[in-house]
Amino acid sequence: DSGVTQTPKHLITATGQRVTLRCSPRSGDLSVYWYQQSLDQGLQFLIQYYNGEERAKGNILERFSAQQFPDLHSELNLSSLELGDSALYFCASSRDSSYNSPLHFGNGTRLTVT
Amino acid sequence: AQSVTQLGSHVSVSEGALVLLRCNYSSSVPPYLFWYVQYPNQGLQLLLKYTTGATLVKGINGFEAEFKKSETSFHLTKPSAHMSDAAEYFCAVSAPNFGNEKLTFGTGTRLTIIP
Repeated sequence: DSGVTQTPKHLITATGQRVTLRCSPRSGDLSVYWYQQSLDQGLQFLIQYYNGEERAKGNILERFSAQQFPDLHSELNLSSLELGDSALYFCASSRDSSYNSPLHFGNGTRLTVT
Repeated sequence: AQSVTQLGSHVSVSEGALVLLRCNYSSSVPPYLFWYVQYPNQGLQLLLKYTTGATLVKGINGFEAEFKKSETSFHLTKPSAHMSDAAEYFCAVSAPNFGNEKLTFGTGTRLTIIP
């Protein structure tokens, strides 16, 4: 058990809809990362938050947004969903953001857009 | 820019045989290299990492990897495969002064263990 909790485990929705994925980081971890894992593109970094502030952006679409709350949990919002957004979305956390602080991944949320 | 290439998206070995998963990297600066493992229905977890110092690094579950600068490689090995090693393995690269947000993952190698 990594200590990172993601909900829900599965989500099925229709094109054009909006969903929210939730992540609770490991106790004491200040940094949260969101990744998208798909068969054709592998594991892609989306966005990072550190202690409530956005720290880095990766390949995140404008239709997607995220935030980290004062209790350090994070939410990833996906809107105007398209079929191609179907993927496994992982949250990871680390003590800080340095390479010496290993990433701890949750079990993911599998999103299916129909 | 940095990248990693994992040779072989699927590898099958017999139980008790040597496991060898290949990873080659490209980096304009001295790389930091990582192997992560993803068991079915779980997130990734760190197996081992190389930053500086000894080029042979040991990780969890009997795995080890050797950084070879001349070959730009960081192959993962285990002398004797167990059924529990069946998983997907990801090589990743970063660099000094870069944070985790710069970690670039390979496309993964799915390891199957044949009884």
